Amino acid sequence: DAMVIQNPRYQVTQFGKPVTLSCSQTLNHNVMYWYQQKSSQAPKLLFHYYDKDFNNEADTPDNFQSRRPNTSFCFLDIRSPGLGDAAMYLCATSRDRLAGVSDTQYFGPGTRLTVL
Amino acid sequence: GDSVTQMEGPVTLSEEAFLTINCTYTATGYPSLFWYVQYPGEGLQLLLKATKADDKGSNKGFEATYRKETTSFHLEKGSVQVSDSAVYFCALLNTDKLIFGTGTRLQVFP
Repeated sequence: DAMVIQNPRYQVTQFGKPVTLSCSQTLNHNVMYWYQQKSSQAPKLLFHYYDKDFNNEADTPDNFQSRRPNTSFCFLDIRSPGLGDAAMYLCATSRDRLAGVSDTQYFGPGTRLTVL
Repeated sequence: GDSVTQMEGPVTLSEEAFLTINCTYTATGYPSLFWYVQYPGEGLQLLLKATKADDKGSNKGFEATYRKETTSFHLEKGSVQVSDSAVYFCALLNTDKLIFGTGTRLQVFP
């Protein structure tokens, strides 16, 4: 089945040690998103790619970077994780924009990041 | 700016009870509206959606109607099951951004 895949499902890193989270999709969608979800909170958009066009949210810390080497894959890099970065990270995709409005977003299962 | 307001949880029900989770929104233009469900330890799953006024989204016995006049998109189910226990997020999509409510936890007991 076509889907959004995130690896790993659980990631443990040490304070200040760079970590990369991975997302892949078989939906052939043009748009990919990364969200951060802290415990008992709503997901917060970090950034998204429309094809190769990167769009950063104004309040996303510089510590967070992203790469999209091709249509199928998107990576979230956390350069120096702090304790406050422990969260669930959700990847999502949408098919395209239509008259300026994106289509439905489909989410992966998430990667839970623990920072020791 | 655009926003979504959901009723606070947890909502605690017995199996086969009627469920309503209220959701209202503030937005410019004509957003699409969604309900997502998040089971423990998992990501978000699209439950249902509506793209224009008076549309009714439905799935797995859940339904919600896009009410432009009251800017609401309340989630309902006639008879909940224990397996419906999860967190439910109302969201709106305007241009590229999906804006979520804070989520409502539903707990269903046998």
